[in-house]
Amino acid sequence: DIQMTQSPSSLSASVGDRVTLTCRASQSIGSNLNWYQQKPGKAPTLLIYSASSLQSGVPPRFSGSGVGTDFTLTISSLQPGDFATYYCQQSYSTPRTFGQGTKLEIK
Amino acid sequence: QVQLQESGPGLVKPSETLSLTCTVSDDSISTYYWSWIRQPPGKSLEWIGHISSSGSTNYNPSLKSRVTISLDTSRNRFSLKLSSATAADTAVYYCARDTKITIFGVVTPYYYYALDVWGQGTTVTVSS
Repeated sequence: DIQMTQSPSSLSASVGDRVTLTCRASQSIGSNLNWYQQKPGKAPTLLIYSASSLQSGVPPRFSGSGVGTDFTLTISSLQPGDFATYYCQQSYSTPRTFGQGTKLEIK
Repeated sequence: QVQLQESGPGLVKPSETLSLTCTVSDDSISTYYWSWIRQPPGKSLEWIGHISSSGSTNYNPSLKSRVTISLDTSRNRFSLKLSSATAADTAVYYCARDTKITIFGVVTPYYYYALDVWGQGTTVTVSS
């Protein structure tokens, strides 16, 4: 199985901050990397697919980059609704695997 | 906008079979891959497996001996069965659509998969 490791596990930031979350795969996965946002008690929602493509309806303050084993999710200016947990997931092979998540909290 | 809805018992006894159904609101069940994912309390997401529109399946090896995912296109739904349930199977269970996305390159197209539509999730507790 491909292991996905996210860092940091949690992050405190303020509204308006620029933040970058990191995801690393245990082997090369090309651009087969997705990012999801999950709010408490809710299902995850797709933000970014193929490492850098913005899902329809997702605000452009979200952006993704990376290829191979190292990926980032950047939020350019945090809004109140962005405080949530973010997961990366590889779709290069089965079983699909997720990172352990980064919890983004209000400072 | 397609919607997915999980249904099934919220309480399962140890050693029994956990059974859930996901109903898809339109007829797209004959077009995509369909996945089950679970999330134990306070933990990350675990992919259980998926089924294609033609009925071929792929399961997480960690659960493969106990999992069956099936498709009912006449009812626009797919199902999960997890046998020999234990307390470790207590989780929120989600169904999701696994969409194949085509990105056209200069020479060839590239194909990616992403879970773009999710059900709201259903909590299953395994306890006597």
